[in-house]
Amino acid sequence: DTGVSQNPRHKITKRGQNVTFRCDPISEHNRLYWYRQTLGQGPEFLTYFQNEAQLEKSRLLSDRFSAERPKGSFSTLEIQRTEQGDSAMYLCASSYQRDSNYGYTFGSGTRLTVV
Amino acid sequence: AQSVAQPEDQVNVAEGNPLTVKCTYSVSGNPYLFWYVQYPNRGLQFLLKYITGDNLVKGSYGFEAEFNKSQTSFHLKKPSALVSDSALYFCAVRDMDSNYQLIWGAGTKLIIKP
Repeated sequence: DTGVSQNPRHKITKRGQNVTFRCDPISEHNRLYWYRQTLGQGPEFLTYFQNEAQLEKSRLLSDRFSAERPKGSFSTLEIQRTEQGDSAMYLCASSYQRDSNYGYTFGSGTRLTVV
Repeated sequence: AQSVAQPEDQVNVAEGNPLTVKCTYSVSGNPYLFWYVQYPNRGLQFLLKYITGDNLVKGSYGFEAEFNKSQTSFHLKKPSALVSDSALYFCAVRDMDSNYQLIWGAGTKLIIKP
């Protein structure tokens, strides 16, 4: 297991198009998080899964955003009708429930550019 | 409201000198504090944490951090800086109102000059 994997690394899309990102967490980690990071800022929480259940969603997650983790393993984050303001780095992180006090393991992120 | 502040946007240090990256926090109850590092176009890497115990916490790559409850601070330190330490550093605290979410500082860019 090489850690948290995110695909694609980069995505350039035209405004109005839909995009989907994938995150493969560390296999034994049952918790998965999505964050968004814009230049010069810290990460902003988007949503959180424990196994396949989506337990928390940020108010930042408008109805254009949807995330799934159908089998409690990999997760997808979809953005519909993209806007230029969606341009950011989208980070995925995972943790094991009993170790959640000890920090996450992050993937390298997917950088989205909406033109 | 819970928050984390990193008062310096950028810190410049000469190679071989000690470095400090500052972080202060505001939370209810006992804080769980973290430092992460981010290299260009990379994800965040965990450096160290404070949960309980000794106020001086040792982490990866020779970094350490000192928890100071009275000053509500958790400054990151290293005795002798390396050029390769140049990166973006984030302080974070566990959000006690949420389910293991982290509240992040805005980050401090550390530049180590040869």
